[in-house]
Amino acid sequence: DAMVIQNPRYQVTQFGKPVTLSCSQTLNHNVMYWYQQKSSQAPKLLFHYYDKDFNNEADTPDNFQSRRPNTSFCFLDIRSPGLGDAAMYLCATSRDARAMGETQYFGPGTRLLVL
Amino acid sequence: SQQGEEDPQALSIQEGENATMNCSYKTSINNLQWYRQNSGRGLVHLILIRSNEREKHSGRLRVTLDTSKKSSSLLITASRAADTASYFCATASQGGKLIFGQGTELSVKP
Repeated sequence: DAMVIQNPRYQVTQFGKPVTLSCSQTLNHNVMYWYQQKSSQAPKLLFHYYDKDFNNEADTPDNFQSRRPNTSFCFLDIRSPGLGDAAMYLCATSRDARAMGETQYFGPGTRLLVL
Repeated sequence: SQQGEEDPQALSIQEGENATMNCSYKTSINNLQWYRQNSGRGLVHLILIRSNEREKHSGRLRVTLDTSKKSSSLLITASRAADTASYFCATASQGGKLIFGQGTELSVKP
């Protein structure tokens, strides 16, 4: 089945230690998104890729970076995690963001814990 | 900035009852979508309603959209314990991004 896969499902890191979360998709979608979701809150868009074009949200901290080496994979790098970065990180895909808001397909998320 | 606000924040009902959740938004939209999120999991798309549509059905789900009031509602009929989850509305505007509401936490008791 076509799907969005996130690894790992749970990640524990130390304060200030760089961490990378990964996302892969078999849907062959053009657009990939990274969201941060804290407990009992709405998902908050960090950035998205339209093909290789990177689109950062204005309020996304510089501490968060992303890479998309090919259509299938996208990575979220947190350069120096702080305690406030502990959250669920959700990856999502859609066929074409320029189609004015298509359905997004989400992975199961990676829960990040910062010690 | 948050586009959608949902009401109620939490809803507890008995199995078999209907559940209604409401979503209000601020700016003009292209479409509005509803998603479900089980605890500790990703979001699952439920239904999309376009700005020129007023009502849409999918199985036990009924969604309405009133663009004059900038509001939408999600009705789940004959609820089941498996419907227990958080439900989010998301609005799509210029540029195609989705802006999510705060969500309604639904608990369906057997």
